[in-house]
Amino acid sequence: RKEVEQDPGPFNVPEGATVAFNCTYSNSASQSFFWYRQDCRKEPKLLMSVYSSGNEDGRFTAQLNRASQYISLLIRDSKLSDSATYLCVVNRRGSQGNLIFGKGTKLSVKP
Amino acid sequence: DTAVSQTPKYLVTQMGNDKSIKCEQNLGHDTMYWYKQDSKKFLKIMFSYNNKELIINETVPNRFSPKSPDKAHLNLHINSLELGDSAVYFCASSFTGSHTGELFFGEGSRLTVL
Repeated sequence: RKEVEQDPGPFNVPEGATVAFNCTYSNSASQSFFWYRQDCRKEPKLLMSVYSSGNEDGRFTAQLNRASQYISLLIRDSKLSDSATYLCVVNRRGSQGNLIFGKGTKLSVKP
Repeated sequence: DTAVSQTPKYLVTQMGNDKSIKCEQNLGHDTMYWYKQDSKKFLKIMFSYNNKELIINETVPNRFSPKSPDKAHLNLHINSLELGDSAVYFCASSFTGSHTGELFFGEGSRLTVL
């Protein structure tokens, strides 16, 4: 089993749609969870951290279920500028700085 | 000002050659990393240095040798390049103990081995 697994995508959605990405991780000792965004041929950038209680940042909502080792990202009212690959990221065995990246889910928002 | 800068951005070379990629960060971070992103877009850590000391060394062929002359620089030297080394190599940096999980990446160095 891969350490971090994500929906393969791609997701093709119209503007204004709500889209959800799922991610599972294999190491129950992981303590930190994040979503990164990577635009085509660019470097990854932190989108948001994921907290146990769930957290929201504007149109983006992240949730964590430790029992199921499952992380999600919900994007409401999709914009064209949301088109990118979304990477689920987990730290390995609680060790700071050793982040494991999922393969990413590609999102394409169409007019 | 670029926070994490890598050079070169593009590198095309023949099998068997030796090449280096340089990385510098001006964020004052104490930890730097090299990640490899292959053709399947899988981003995988290779090395991590904290204050010039190697702290993470994943299963990477010993043809890859990182060097950190100071905490603002982490260079990657690759000997005897192989076709499978073709990938985008990302340098990144962060603060040790940062709980935001934010790595700052360079723009990547796209290596093509012919």
